[in-house]
Amino acid sequence: EPEVTQTPSHQVTQMGQEVILRCVPISNHLYFYWYRQILGQKVEFLVSFYNNEISEKSEIFDDQFSVERPDGSNFTLKIRSTKLEDSAMYFCASSAEDGSSYNEQFFGPGTRLTVL
Amino acid sequence: AQSVAQPEDQVNVAEGNPLTVKCTYSVSGNPYLFWYVQYPNRGLQFLLKYITGDNLVKGSYGFEAEFNKSQTSFHLKKPSALVSDSALYFCAVSHDNYGQNFVFGPGTRLSVLP
Repeated sequence: EPEVTQTPSHQVTQMGQEVILRCVPISNHLYFYWYRQILGQKVEFLVSFYNNEISEKSEIFDDQFSVERPDGSNFTLKIRSTKLEDSAMYFCASSAEDGSSYNEQFFGPGTRLTVL
Repeated sequence: AQSVAQPEDQVNVAEGNPLTVKCTYSVSGNPYLFWYVQYPNRGLQFLLKYITGDNLVKGSYGFEAEFNKSQTSFHLKKPSALVSDSALYFCAVSHDNYGQNFVFGPGTRLSVLP
């Protein structure tokens, strides 16, 4: 069964450093998402991406964040200058090509980001 | 704005007994409702969804959920719990007016005791 994959599984970085989290969505999906889950809190939407541009973003997704689809398979989340409060589990997800709100999103296993 | 509540942080049930994990939502208009499960060190796995039609939807691993519009609820149920069902369960809502943004509840930890 096809699945979303994410690398690395755990990233440790110093405050102020840039990090790039990588995701490989399911191959025939065209809508991609990033969510985060701070330890002990709920899963929060960050951004959705379609046709090489952001389609929606939350207030969490400020200028420190960016997303990119650098090639035909990868989808990345970059945090330019990490803060302590960026420590969280980051989930990538993808959904079927029509992007309807009723399509289930398929989630990767997550990348745990720890900012020291 | 959309919101989801899961009133119980923790649900304990004995193996073989029926289980219910509760979810209520708030959204203007007709919602799309989802249940996901998260096992340790794993991503969220889709269980089932309600879009329209029959209020009782069946999903993976014997789970089902009932949409109740008057009570704005979408409780997850299973007739006979297994120890392997122990995990974190998330309810989520989306709506055409809010695009692909899923709003998740805070999660309910289910423990099935042998």
